[in-house]
Amino acid sequence: DVQLVESGGGLVQPGGSLRLSCVASGFTFSDYEMNWVRQSPEKGLEWVAYISSGGSTIYYADSVKGRFIISRDDAKNSLYLQMNNLRADDTSLYYCVRDRHPASYYDRSGPHWFDPWGHGTLVTVSS
Amino acid sequence: IVLTQSPATLSLSPGERVTLSCRASQSVGHYLAWFQQKPGQAPRLLIYDASNRATGIPARFSGSGSGTYFSLTISSLEPEDFAVYYCQQRSNWPTFGPGTKVEIK
Repeated sequence: DVQLVESGGGLVQPGGSLRLSCVASGFTFSDYEMNWVRQSPEKGLEWVAYISSGGSTIYYADSVKGRFIISRDDAKNSLYLQMNNLRADDTSLYYCVRDRHPASYYDRSGPHWFDPWGHGTLVTVSS
Repeated sequence: IVLTQSPATLSLSPGERVTLSCRASQSVGHYLAWFQQKPGQAPRLLIYDASNRATGIPARFSGSGSGTYFSLTISSLEPEDFAVYYCQQRSNWPTFGPGTKVEIK
């Protein structure tokens, strides 16, 4: 079974940093593009960041560009999100999300279809 | 691209047929997906490319539409179908609609 397990969330003060991790199993991690998507009651579902298989192409939502860094370690079947200069409106449940198809299925890089999702890790930014 | 879903809430009974709508602020071609989310769970992909059912999704779920207007139809509501449904486009940077809650009448 495909599994995505996030960790690293918690309570952090405004301006602080957190590093989220996601460990994948049940599929060949290196073959797939990966994303972080967040959800809050205030803003709903919001795509945050994308990384291609191999890690050479990365995209961010404007709301996090310059503050967040997505990365991957295929040897560890792991995806990461380094979050810096956190703000109150970054408070959300953060999901690790795989692309539905392996990278070879598509003719161009970028976020495609989100499937499956991890269970999420909660990030709360508050003083 | 802004996605609008209507209505915000639907109150229905098991066995009923339901059609949910999603409108895009500009054409997204066929690049639209539907997700189901139950309380305490992550979203689950139901439909992608407007009309393709994802793996393991029952045939009672169907999607249609293109351009700016899309719909998700559940032919006969099962008890496990009461949930929130979101649409998502990937024509541009991905965005999600605000969701439609299908609740038990």
